[in-house]
This record gives sequence, C-alpha cells and structure tokens, in this order.
Amino acid sequence: KAGVTQTPRYLIKTRGQQVTLSCSPISGHRSVSWYQQTPGQGLQFLFEYFSETQRNKGNFPGRFSGRQFSNSRSEMNVSTLELGDSALYLCASSLGGAGANVLTFGAGSRLTVL
Amino acid sequence: AQKITQTQPGMFVQEKEAVTLDCTYDTSDQSYGLFWYKQPSSGEMIFLIYQGSYDEQNATEGRYSLNFQKARKSTNLVISASQLGDSAMYFCAMREGGARQLTFGSGTQLTVLP
Repeated sequence: KAGVTQTPRYLIKTRGQQVTLSCSPISGHRSVSWYQQTPGQGLQFLFEYFSETQRNKGNFPGRFSGRQFSNSRSEMNVSTLELGDSALYLCASSLGGAGANVLTFGAGSRLTVL
Repeated sequence: AQKITQTQPGMFVQEKEAVTLDCTYDTSDQSYGLFWYKQPSSGEMIFLIYQGSYDEQNATEGRYSLNFQKARKSTNLVISASQLGDSAMYFCAMREGGARQLTFGSGTQLTVLP
C-alpha cells in the first residue's frame, strides 16, 4: 500500500515569504503529525491533527500553522519565513492512538530559506 | 534535562559484525514506549522496533533487537550481522504516558565498512 507522500520534496524561498507543505497519509490513517528537523535542534514536534482537529502543538511560534482535511490529508504553513526555518519538514501518519502506535514517516520536504 | 540521550554521535562497524547503539531516557511516567528509527541519506524515517515499558521480554525484529534495562532507563539497539545498507542515522524516541508525539534523541550516525 502507498506510504506517506509529501510534496514538494525540495523548495527554496526567501525571507518574508510564506510556504505551504502538503502531506498525504497512509490510507486509513486519521492522524497526521509534523516534525521539523534541523542540524542544531534535531527533530522537534510541531503539531498533530486527528479527524481535522489539532490535538497537540509543540513549542513553535504562531507563524507555523496547519490543517487537516476530511480525507486526512494535511498541510502545514509557515508565514514570514526566517533563515532559521530552513529545515527538513517530516510528516508522519498513524492510526492515532498512544502507546505502541507507530508513526510512519514520509520522505520529507526540504525547505531552504535565503 | 534531555529526555532522550544518545551519546554516540558516530559509530563504525565492519560488515557482518554486530553493533550496539546506546540510548538512555528520562521519564517519571510508569507507562511509556520506546522506538527506534533509521534515517538514510534520503531523509525518510523508517521504523525499526518498539519496546513498551511493561514488556517483560526484550523486543526483537529480524536483525534488530533491544537490550532494555528498565532500572537503568536504557534501551540499546543491537544490529546483528551488519550490512552496507545499514549505514544511516539511527534515532531513539520515546512516547510518554498518553502523549501522542514522540521525543527524539540526537541520533547516531552508523557507518558500515566493507
């Protein structure tokens, strides 16, 4: 079955612009989580959506936002881009529980801010 | 304090030999889950193995096994019979209690030598 699909894979933006990243989860998965990965801070949790509702949010400024659609596809948006937003943005989907619930990740969207 | 600590930034192993990657964690929850992921240079995070805090047996998945020492709060990943394709970044992660997000360590870069 198809995995988690993230688009675009690579993109370059300039400071002050905004960007929208897309994530299509595994069929049947209702939870989508987003993580930011940078060399300095490592992997950090951004937010999680389940059935179109944000259930959890990490410690990121309000410039980072997201949403989930009725088909479980998710988008995240970063407004007023800063150089420090350059990162690999990883999306993960799951059935949505806690405990042993495994996150399946996509290949990521690599954002470069100039 | 770091919740997940991986003290080995880089490791080298000869092909066909076994290697152990270290991970210690910090939590006051009695219920938690520990995960290992592999990240090749392509960027995608690949789930390897899971250990629950109440599991009495060490988890095993093919060539991957965990040396779970609950009292010491450590969960070391053992890769047996290393292959060249095992060269990647390896992350240890934890999900605490009823949380849905994962907290990741800083990772260990494993290089398998021919």
